[in-house]
Amino acid sequence: NAGVTQTPKFRVLKTGQSMTLLCAQDMNHEYMYWYRQDPGMGLRLIHYSVGEGTTAKGEVPDGYNVSRLKKQNFLLGLESAAPSQTSVYFCASSYTRGTDTQYFGPGTRLTVL
Amino acid sequence: TQLLEQSPQFLSIQEGENLTVYCNSSSVFSSLQWYRQEPGEGPVLLVTVVTGGEVKKLKRLTFQFGDARKDSSLHITAAQPGDTGLYLCAATGANNLFFGTGTRLTVIP
Repeated sequence: NAGVTQTPKFRVLKTGQSMTLLCAQDMNHEYMYWYRQDPGMGLRLIHYSVGEGTTAKGEVPDGYNVSRLKKQNFLLGLESAAPSQTSVYFCASSYTRGTDTQYFGPGTRLTVL
Repeated sequence: TQLLEQSPQFLSIQEGENLTVYCNSSSVFSSLQWYRQEPGEGPVLLVTVVTGGEVKKLKRLTFQFGDARKDSSLHITAAQPGDTGLYLCAATGANNLFFGTGTRLTVIP
């Protein structure tokens, strides 16, 4: 089992460019999440999904869109990147909600110039 | 607004020393989790505490959930260089977790 994988690992964008981050999990988990991690801010939830075909907003959803067309994949899109979106992005998945363990991917480091 | 405040933010100690880090909130939570994150990797779950006053031990790590379920602590006995990392507490919401700001621990050999 690969667990949770993320592509790409690193990316540099110019302001206004778009990109999609891919998250894949092979644990048959229902729940998937996208977080961003910034110094001194901890992990903040961007969007999450409670099952295939569903998405919901988290704490900091502005400037991002997501899609969950397949149960194993959760895509995070930036339509028009801004320097404020420079961050490390983590995807996670869990079997259920609440106290269930979240399994994290290795992260994507994004720099927007 | 941070629901969870962790202290200290940074901690650097010598190998063999004991330490305690804290996770505090003004809100009551049904449960709380502790994660450890090493450089270049995602967080990994260490423990989940559910009952007020609960104490759980994981080798040299002792986790406690406050009686009122508003705070938690992590105590490490005889710290090792392998304990170095970012320690994050997270409170469980309806569908997701709310993470604290983290404590970055460095254990010097």
